Order: sequence, then structure tokens, then C-alpha cells
Amino acid sequence: DTEVTQTPKHLVMGMTNKKSLKCEQHMGHRAMYWYKQKAKKPPELMFVYSYEKLSINESVPSRFSPECPNSSLLNLHLHALQPEDSALYLCASSQAGSGYTFGSGTRLTVV
Amino acid sequence: GQNIDQPTEMTATEGAIVQINCTYQTSGFNGLFWYQQHAGEAPTFLSYNVLDGLEEKGRFSSFLSRSKGYSYLLLKELQMKDSASYLCAVRDQFSGGYNKLIFGAGTRLAVHP
Repeated sequence: DTEVTQTPKHLVMGMTNKKSLKCEQHMGHRAMYWYKQKAKKPPELMFVYSYEKLSINESVPSRFSPECPNSSLLNLHLHALQPEDSALYLCASSQAGSGYTFGSGTRLTVV
Repeated sequence: GQNIDQPTEMTATEGAIVQINCTYQTSGFNGLFWYQQHAGEAPTFLSYNVLDGLEEKGRFSSFLSRSKGYSYLLLKELQMKDSASYLCAVRDQFSGGYNKLIFGAGTRLAVHP
């Protein structure tokens, strides 16, 4: 298995909703990432998990809450989002000496 | 500071060769990546350079000069499906072993018949 799987592919949520994005990989990669990408912009790093521990938080608002239950799973819990949070959310994983593998992303719309 | 520069847009003709340049200034360096991204899709890995020189992979080649903070992606025998954004990304190494991938703004390539 050489893929990163993200669910759901599309999500529409209201500003008072609570939802979660899920990411799964079975390549044995020990680093996992959440990126946010707005239209016509490059991906921006949000969080880095290394060996299931949060190692980098790029000053992301607390309405985004990451979780790494085990070495294969990465979640992003969403609560009280704003319309400007609408974007493509990308999960990626990597291993030392290897490239980064990206999932196909979750396109989030906040209404 | 972190700075990765690449041209915003380029156009080329089907069957031709195009070179996309990338210059970078980062606090650390542990490799440079090129990704292709079609609109609305995830980035897909094209190439990786960590040492100076040229890496060739089919129609795609990537070059790195660490002393100049410079890389380029060379696409040969262009096809219409190569119309996409091309992202230059530098892996910055932090102390403690953690690293992160920093992306340039991307170059939108349009291939015309």
C-alpha cells in the first residue's frame, strides 16, 4: 500500500458544527502532516506529528485540533469554523530519506 | 527567513521543452522536491534532489545547486496533460530531527497545441 487515504473527499459544514477529517496510511511512515491549501496558493503547513507526537504547530487557531491515535491514523477535529477556513485540507506522510506522499485531500466548505 | 521563488506562470507548446526555475533561501536544507498539481487535486511527487547535480526520470529532470540556492525542473516532449501547477518545495531541518516541507507559490504551466 503506497497511498495516503483521506475521508471525506468533500465536506460542507455550518459554523456551529463539529466535524472531523480523517487520514490513514499503511506505509510505516512515522511523520504525518496536515496542510491547508487555498485556491491558487501553495499548501501551507498546519501540524506535524512525529512518532505520534505533535512536534510542530504553525500557530494554527484552536478551532482546529489534531489527533494522532496511532502510527497509521491522523485526525483533524473541526469546531466553530469560519467561512475563511474553507479550503482543501491535505494530509501527507513521510519517512526519513523518502519523499512526502500526499492524500487526495478533503475539500471543506464552511457556510 | 524562508523564501522560495519561482515564476508565477509559463506557457509552452506541445512537444517542446520547458525549464521551470526555483531559487530558495531557507534556514536549513535537507532536500528539494518538485511536485505537480492539477487544479483541485493533491500534489503528486515528481523528483527529489539532496545533492548537487541532475536527476533524470523519464521526461522529467531536476537540477540542484546548493551553493547557489537554485534548482530547475526540465520537462521534455511536452504533452497537453502536463498543463498543471509545478511546486518547488524545500525540506527544512530543525534541531531535534523534526522537519517540514516549505512550498514555493507554484508555477502554472499552460501547454498549447
